[in-house]
Amino acid sequence: EPEVTQTPSHQVTQMGQEVILRCVPISNHLYFYWYRQILGQKVEFLVSFYNNEISEKSEIFDDQFSVERPDGSNFTLKIRSTKLEDSAMYFCASSGWQGANGYTFGSGTRLTVV
Amino acid sequence: KNEVEQSPQNLTAQEGEFITINCSYSVGISALHWLQQHPGGGIVSLFMLSSGKKKHGRLIATINIQEKHSSLHITASHPRDSAVYICAVRGSGGSNYKLTFGKGTLLTVNP
Repeated sequence: EPEVTQTPSHQVTQMGQEVILRCVPISNHLYFYWYRQILGQKVEFLVSFYNNEISEKSEIFDDQFSVERPDGSNFTLKIRSTKLEDSAMYFCASSGWQGANGYTFGSGTRLTVV
Repeated sequence: KNEVEQSPQNLTAQEGEFITINCSYSVGISALHWLQQHPGGGIVSLFMLSSGKKKHGRLIATINIQEKHSSLHITASHPRDSAVYICAVRGSGGSNYKLTFGKGTLLTVNP
């Protein structure tokens, strides 16, 4: 069964450093998403991406965040200057047309900012 | 903005028991998802529902659109069912196709 692949599985970074989280969505999917889950809290939407542009973003997704699909297969989330409160599990997901047939999630990247 | 509430937050059962987890939401949706999250964090999709009932093995999911309520049932529960079960809804209309998540229900099934 097709999978969404995320790398790395764990990342530890110092406060103020830039991190890039990588995702390889399912190849024939059109919509790509990033969600995050702070430890002990619910999963929260960050951003959705379609047709090489952001289609929707949450209040969390401020100027320190950016997304890119650099080469037609990878989908990346960049956090420019990490803060302690960015420590969370970050999930990538992909779907077909507007999620009408469901979503497939990656296994997540656990980001720890120290 | 859709609010998704799940109950109970925590559930402990003995192996073989029938389990019910409930989910309610505040605004009309196009679909409701039940997801499973194991320790270590990966999220797996169990069901997507827009009406009625679906069954997969020992898992059954139902939805009542008028009452804005869904239930996930597990028959003959087993310790390997221990996980967090999450309800998430997809909005209706416009570009609102992101998922809004509930807080999850931590299920522990003891042998």
